[in-house]
Amino acid sequence: GAGVSQSPRYKVTKRGQDVALRCDPISGHVSLYWYRQALGQGPEFLTYFNYEAQQDKSGLPNDRFSAERPEGSISTLTIQRTEQRDSAMYRCASSLTASGINPGELFFGEGSRLTVL
Amino acid sequence: AQKITQTQPGMFVQEKEAVTLDCTYDTSDQSYGLFWYKQPSSGEMIFLIYQGSYDEQNATEGRYSLNFQKARKSANLVISASQLGDSAMYFCAMREGYNQGGKLIFGQGTELSVKP
Repeated sequence: GAGVSQSPRYKVTKRGQDVALRCDPISGHVSLYWYRQALGQGPEFLTYFNYEAQQDKSGLPNDRFSAERPEGSISTLTIQRTEQRDSAMYRCASSLTASGINPGELFFGEGSRLTVL
Repeated sequence: AQKITQTQPGMFVQEKEAVTLDCTYDTSDQSYGLFWYKQPSSGEMIFLIYQGSYDEQNATEGRYSLNFQKARKSANLVISASQLGDSAMYFCAMREGYNQGGKLIFGQGTELSVKP
């Protein structure tokens, strides 16, 4: 696609439910990143993939959060047993490459706004 | 300690004037990259400019320039000839290390308002 696409754009769920957020990166982009952004704050790194391999998951807050990118393209971020503190904008980004001093521009999607009631 | 510090929660500038947005960083790595992003009220994240730690020249992109002072660990963004469309949130970010790709650490942001 032309840009990074995320779905759903908005998700309202009840505490305790599981949610899955989807990211479709720019075609051909090797690296895919997940960030979380609370209102009025900067994005916070969660995890990233090169192709299908998860390279770094150090930013995932706890074991209720997981991500996968099984075929090296579309990725899913899953939050199990959601809690109110999980409410935030979840942003996906992709880049053509991950190696080197400058990986080039990081293209962000429009985000999925999650509200946990 | 904060890795990226943006001390100005909000800034005002008159249209057509220049403005400097402050950013200081903290890292012990020799190799790192510094980024600035713009986030308008629409919520999208727009890449503005990049500076590598080994770059000797300050980065420039059109009306944007990065005032990189390595010894002071500062990477201030300078916007020349401000326009009304520059009103947005601005984030400074850092990547530590050589092969960390787009794993960025963001600051808290500075909200810039351009007055007509």
